Amino acid sequence: GAGVSQSPSNKVTEKGKDVELRCDPISGHTALYWYRQSLGQGLEFLIYFQGNSAPDKSGLPSDRFSAERTGGSVSTLTIQRTQQEDSAVYLCASSLSDVQGGDYGYTFGSGTRLTVV
Amino acid sequence: AQSVSQHNHHVILSEAASLELGCNYSYGGTVNLFWYVQYPGQHLQLLLKYFSGDPLVKGIKGFEAEFIKSKFSFNLRKPSVQWSDTAEYFCAVNYPLNTGGFKTIFGAGTRLFVKA
Repeated sequence: GAGVSQSPSNKVTEKGKDVELRCDPISGHTALYWYRQSLGQGLEFLIYFQGNSAPDKSGLPSDRFSAERTGGSVSTLTIQRTQQEDSAVYLCASSLSDVQGGDYGYTFGSGTRLTVV
Repeated sequence: AQSVSQHNHHVILSEAASLELGCNYSYGGTVNLFWYVQYPGQHLQLLLKYFSGDPLVKGIKGFEAEFIKSKFSFNLRKPSVQWSDTAEYFCAVNYPLNTGGFKTIFGAGTRLFVKA
């Protein structure tokens, strides 16, 4: 597609339920990133994919969080047993990643606003 | 852990005032540097980027940023702001990982409000 697509755009879930967030990157972008944006907290790095592998998972807040990417394209971020502190906007971005020269800037999706009640 | 610091969390300016938003980072090696902007109700967009060469880079909408390696800084500037520049601005630094990939970390953001 023309841009990075994220779904759903909004999700309200009950505490303790599992949620799955989806990101469809720009076609041909090999690098995919998940960030979390909380009010007043800036962007918190969660995980990064180069192709289907994740060289850096250091940002995942706990073992309730997991992510996968298949076919070098779509990625899903899963949060198990959601807690109220998981409420945030989850942003996905993709990039033409040149391993030799670093990334060339991201294209962000519109995000998924997750509210845990 | 590497970090990016944005000195001002909130800035209020009148139209036509000059803008400078500070950004400092901690990584000591070669980096790529970015400024992103998020207008109200919109998603993050790339404003400008620095990879190499001229340390003064120009972006969209009259913005520019200067990379000062000795100060680990990449400050954003605009000579004369407009009401439409009201937005949140994020500085970002991309640096190499030991695994061979690259990671980008963001500052906490600066909310700019321009009074008409």
